[in-house]
This record gives sequence, C-alpha cells and structure tokens, in this order.
Amino acid sequence: DAGVIQSPRHEVTEMGQEVTLRCKPISGHDYLFWYRQTMMRGLELLIYFNNNVPIDDSGMPEDRFSAKMPNASFSTLKIQPSEPRDSAVYFCASSLDRATEAFFGQGTRLTVV
Amino acid sequence: AQRVTQPEKLLSVFKGAPVELKCNYSYSGSPELFWYVQYSRQRLQLLLRHISRESIKGFTADLNKGETSFHLKKPFAQEEDSAMYYCALSSGSARQLTFGSGTQLTVLP
Repeated sequence: DAGVIQSPRHEVTEMGQEVTLRCKPISGHDYLFWYRQTMMRGLELLIYFNNNVPIDDSGMPEDRFSAKMPNASFSTLKIQPSEPRDSAVYFCASSLDRATEAFFGQGTRLTVV
Repeated sequence: AQRVTQPEKLLSVFKGAPVELKCNYSYSGSPELFWYVQYSRQRLQLLLRHISRESIKGFTADLNKGETSFHLKKPFAQEEDSAMYYCALSSGSARQLTFGSGTQLTVLP
C-alpha cells in the first residue's frame, strides 16, 4: 500500500475561491482524520470519520469548512470561500481501528493570497 | 479537556551530545502518549508510544504520571535526528490525537 495519499501537494489560490483538498486513506482503515498545521497553533484536529460517517467536527473552524467521505477510499475537505488565514498545511491520517497508530499523508500546503 | 505542552519551539545540540525534548500533558483519564517525528519534506510518522516501552533509533520516553511528563531522550544525538518532534496524547472514542506545538531539533556537526 502506498500509504495515505493526499492531493494536491501544493495549492495556491486567491481569496474568495473555493478550495478542495483530497485524501485517499489506507485500504481497510476505518478511521480518517483531517488535521491542520500552522506556525501559531501547531497541529489541530479538524474532523474525523468512522466508517465514512463524520463523528466529531468540533475542530472545524467555521462554516466555510466542510468535509465529506462518500466512500471508504476517498475524503474531501472543502473551504468556500477561502481566506488568507486558512493558509496552512492540511494533513489527512487514517487508522485501522481505535487501538492502532494513525498514518499520515504527505500533507497539502495551502496558500491563499 | 486534554492538553499537551512542549515548552521548547527550537532546540539545538551538538552531535554526540545528549538530547531531551520536553513534553507535559494534562488529562483526566489514563493517558496514552506518543512521539511523532517529521523529517524535512516527509510525512509525520510515529516514533514511539509509551505502552510499547521500546527504544526507536536510540530514543526512549518514559511516562511519569506524577509529573505528568513524557520527555523524549537520546544519549548521543546524530545529525540525522534533526527534525520536528511532536508529542501527542490519545483520547476520545477514536483515540484521536491531541498534539503539542512541536519542537524543532537541530543537531549540529
């Protein structure tokens, strides 16, 4: 398995535009997590899914952020409209179950200008 | 609510010197703690977890419940240890991770 795959690796967009980040978890993993990494706040959990169902989205900063997991092999994180303060590295991670470690993707570096 | 604190944003040591990266936590339950490492341009990866009580790449970490600490130690640092290190606490129904702010370790030649 190639591990958790995120796309794109880098995204530069203008303020006000919609941004969609994509994640393919490791096959067979039941849990999927979205994290955001910034200099100021470090790594923060945004939302996580269990068996494609969103369980806890309390970390999602605003209504401009939304996440979906239409099937076990794909998840998206959407920001609409994007703002400069959304600039960060967004990580997706998956884990087999509650007891095992989370594996992280390479991250998507988002820059909103 | 749980919290993980890494007091040092930056830490520099010389090659061969001992290194200790500090981590303190607050959590009302029984903690499960991890150290993750992120080498330059690579993904975040698990370094070690306290329940394993193992040594990875010469690093060890002991959970001290009295001091609520989980410091990462290595007796002789190597240049390839230069990376960002995150301490994390697992909690919640999915054992989701709460991360500290990270410590950038630089090992000087």
